[in-house]
Amino acid sequence: LAKTTQPISMDSYEGQEVNITCSHNNIATNDYITWYQQFPSQGPRFIIQGYKTKVTNEVASLFIPADRKSSTLSLPRVSLSDTAVYYCLVGDGTGGYQKVTFGTGTKLQVIP
Amino acid sequence: DAGVTQSPTHLIKTRGQQVTLRCSPKSGHDTVSWYQQALGQGPQFIFQYYEEEERQRGNFPDRFSGHQYPNYSSELNVNALLLGDSALYLCASSLGTDLDEKLFFGSGTQLSVL
Repeated sequence: LAKTTQPISMDSYEGQEVNITCSHNNIATNDYITWYQQFPSQGPRFIIQGYKTKVTNEVASLFIPADRKSSTLSLPRVSLSDTAVYYCLVGDGTGGYQKVTFGTGTKLQVIP
Repeated sequence: DAGVTQSPTHLIKTRGQQVTLRCSPKSGHDTVSWYQQALGQGPQFIFQYYEEEERQRGNFPDRFSGHQYPNYSSELNVNALLLGDSALYLCASSLGTDLDEKLFFGSGTQLSVL
């Protein structure tokens, strides 16, 4: 079962770019990497998903090196509203992630 | 377009009691998954329902059971409540059981067991 390791917390000033790295050394060949964001008293919200190289959407970019043993979520120009917990998920070895515990995630605090 | 809705939002029970939590999936979704989130922890997968059957299950005892109705709504039942069952219970819906499908979560039910 693939395990992920993320920093427990990060601080950033408003307007800066934030990069959160996730380590997943035992990722299976057919597993995707998915990131979720969670605000207090709310359910997690899907941010981005990728398999290799780089993926970009309207809110974030995801960088995945060739060996896929890690990934980096990049949030451009963060604002106070980006203060949240960010979870990195990889699959359970069958090609999915729904059965995987989210882990403790990275608590991002954006400072004015 | 209504997202995932859960009820009730808060619930207080005592040890040994039974509880039922309810979830209506996002419009167009047919798969419902349930998660338990203890304070300061990430969500932990309980089970998934598709076509009114439990398809996958996490590491939870039989005290946790569920049901899915023909309209895709779902219930989570917990019997013989323990203090350790106090948590935020999250429902997530998706289209199909493809394990890489995007999950849409509700805001959860906060259960307190006294």
